[in-house]
Amino acid sequence: DTAVSQTPKYLVTQMGNDKSIKCEQNLGHDTMYWYKQDSKKFLKIMFSYNNKELIINETVPNRFSPKSPDKAHLNLHINSLELGDSAVYFCASSLSTGTGVLNEQFFGPGTRLTVL
Amino acid sequence: EDKVVQSPLSLVVHEGDTVTLNCSYEVTNFRSLLWYKQEKKAPTFLFMLTSSGIEKKSGRLSSILDKKELFSILNITATQTGDSAVYLCAVKRAQKLVFGQGTRLTINP
Repeated sequence: DTAVSQTPKYLVTQMGNDKSIKCEQNLGHDTMYWYKQDSKKFLKIMFSYNNKELIINETVPNRFSPKSPDKAHLNLHINSLELGDSAVYFCASSLSTGTGVLNEQFFGPGTRLTVL
Repeated sequence: EDKVVQSPLSLVVHEGDTVTLNCSYEVTNFRSLLWYKQEKKAPTFLFMLTSSGIEKKSGRLSSILDKKELFSILNITATQTGDSAVYLCAVKRAQKLVFGQGTRLTINP
């Protein structure tokens, strides 16, 4: 199936731990994103990579570090997890055109992170 | 600061009713406005609007953008229980999407 996939779907961990979430897309897109959705359902962009290059880096604690080994993958590593990091994290991808106007973004199924 | 505001935040109607969801925005470097439907998991794309006054339609759903007044509406006619979801409005600004807080729509049988 062509899609954006994320692993794991659920992640429950203790405060202070380090964890990673993986994202892969096989849509042939060149731009990938990480979003955080809080308990009020507010989706906020965290990072975006275009062809493995960081292009958006919102005000996010530097405990969060994205890594893009190739344009089909964008992983998110979180150090020293805090209670406030509990949320659903969505990966998305899109295709940028030559004019720089981005087409619609396709979202992965989300990773529900719970920090105890 | 960029802002996308949706109203109402929550709406409960009966099956068969028609609903209108609103999205207003204040965003610099506006490129386009998108509507997504989010049920239990990932948001799924509904429409992308770039031109003012041109209605986009897909079955019972339709949407229109007013770039002068900086808003968009999403209409759903003859609602069904399967339309129950959170509807998200997002505005493309430069290279990112700025989302509204969503409207939670519940359709009762």
